[in-house]
Amino acid sequence: AQSVTQLDSQVPVFEEAPVELRCNYSSSVSVYLFWYVQYPNQGLQLLLKYLSGSTLVKGINGFEAEFNKSQTSFHLRKPSVHISDTAEYFCAVSDRGGGTSYGKLTFGQGTILTVHP
Amino acid sequence: KAGVTQTPRYLIKTRGQQVTLSCSPISGHRSVSWYQQTPGQGLQFLFEYFSETQRNKGNFPGRFSGRQFSNSRSEMNVSTLELGDSALYLCASSLAGGDWDEQFFGPGTRLTVL
Repeated sequence: AQSVTQLDSQVPVFEEAPVELRCNYSSSVSVYLFWYVQYPNQGLQLLLKYLSGSTLVKGINGFEAEFNKSQTSFHLRKPSVHISDTAEYFCAVSDRGGGTSYGKLTFGQGTILTVHP
Repeated sequence: KAGVTQTPRYLIKTRGQQVTLSCSPISGHRSVSWYQQTPGQGLQFLFEYFSETQRNKGNFPGRFSGRQFSNSRSEMNVSTLELGDSALYLCASSLAGGDWDEQFFGPGTRLTVL
C-alpha cells in the first residue's frame, strides 16, 4: 500500500521569498512522483513529475523538485514566489508497473500556499 | 486542443436519490479516471476505465459505478445518495492510463447532497 504525507497543511510566505513544500511517501514498490497545483474552482494541473534519471526535476512556473530515494521525499521548491502562486499543491505517487496502478494516483492531503504582498 | 470537460459543474440532490456525472476526455485519450475530493478525506481514487473496461477500482462501496463509451466519454453514477457523498468529483484523462502517464484533470462537478 502507498501513502503520501505532505508535512505542512498551510504555508504562508511573502512575495519574492523562497518556498519549500514538503512531501514524503511510503510504498512497498518503486514509484513515479508528481506535483499538481489546484487553483480555486479549478481542476488539478501538473507542475512536474519524476520518472527516472536526474533527481532534480524542473517544472512549469519556475518550480522544481528533488527526489531523495533514501529519505523517500520529493520536496517542491521555488526560489521566488508571486502572488499568483497562491493555490493548493498536491504531491502524488503511482506504482511502477502492475495492473494495480492503472490510472491511479495516490495523493497527499495538500498544502495551501498563500503568498502575501 | 480542448481540455477535459465535465458536466454538470454543480448539482444539488437529496438523500436517497441517484446522480450521473459525465466526463469528456481530451481527444485521443483512452483512459479516464475518477476521483472524489472532500475536505476530510482529500483526493481519493474511485476507478479507471480504458477501452470501455474498468481496469482499476478504489475502495468505494458498490453505490459508486461507472462506464465508458466507445468514444472514451465516461459517466459515473452514485445511487442511494448519502450526505457524505457531498464532494467535488474530478475526472482525469490520459493517453493510456499508464503509471507514468500525465493525467489531465477536468474542473470537476460539485455535488451537494441535502
